[in-house]
Amino acid sequence: AQSVTQLGSHVSVSEGALVLLRCNYSSSVPPYLFWYVQYPNQGLQLLLKYTTGATLVKGINGFEAEFKKSETSFHLTKPSAHMSDAAEYFCAVSAFDSWGKLQFGAGTQVVVTP
Amino acid sequence: DTAVSQTPKYLVTQMGNDKSIKCEQNLGHDTMYWYKQDSKKFLKIMFSYNNKELIINETVPNRFSPKSPDKAHLNLHINSLELGDSAVYFCASSQDMGGNSPLHFGNGTRLTVT
Repeated sequence: AQSVTQLGSHVSVSEGALVLLRCNYSSSVPPYLFWYVQYPNQGLQLLLKYTTGATLVKGINGFEAEFKKSETSFHLTKPSAHMSDAAEYFCAVSAFDSWGKLQFGAGTQVVVTP
Repeated sequence: DTAVSQTPKYLVTQMGNDKSIKCEQNLGHDTMYWYKQDSKKFLKIMFSYNNKELIINETVPNRFSPKSPDKAHLNLHINSLELGDSAVYFCASSQDMGGNSPLHFGNGTRLTVT
């Protein structure tokens, strides 16, 4: 069975500072990994995904994530936070033994301060 | 054009009532889902359908009955509503059931049971 752990339910960053959101997964084999963003009163929107190939994945809005198999991690970063990055971020895992059951982490709320 | 649209956006009703939520996707996707997001923002899959066929029923009470008249529509009917059913319900779709197909979410239906 797979699980997803997001470290930190709330993260506060200053505008212009680095955004780092942590995600670790447990899976018997390397899964497919996703980051989604949810703005207030909206559905989730895909930021980026890792399937195979290059372990550094670039997504929308300047975000990127690196798959590290040895650390079972898929941390999300953005070099310079913008006020519009304030939202809830979800890491998600899809494993070979449970296609169609996207397992979400508990989410991390990002607050950006001026 | 909204890719995944669900109605209504808000639903307030009393315990014991029966209600339905409708979902439509115009992306030409084969697979559709219902997810429940609780008050702590935790997302859990309820059902998935592939080409109108039920694939996943994730131990949801049988008061919840999904129906897929065609692959572009997935509706959710809830009988005998309970206080604990209060949540935001998200419809989503993906191109297929492959684990690397990202989900496209609707904007959610906020259900409040009083």
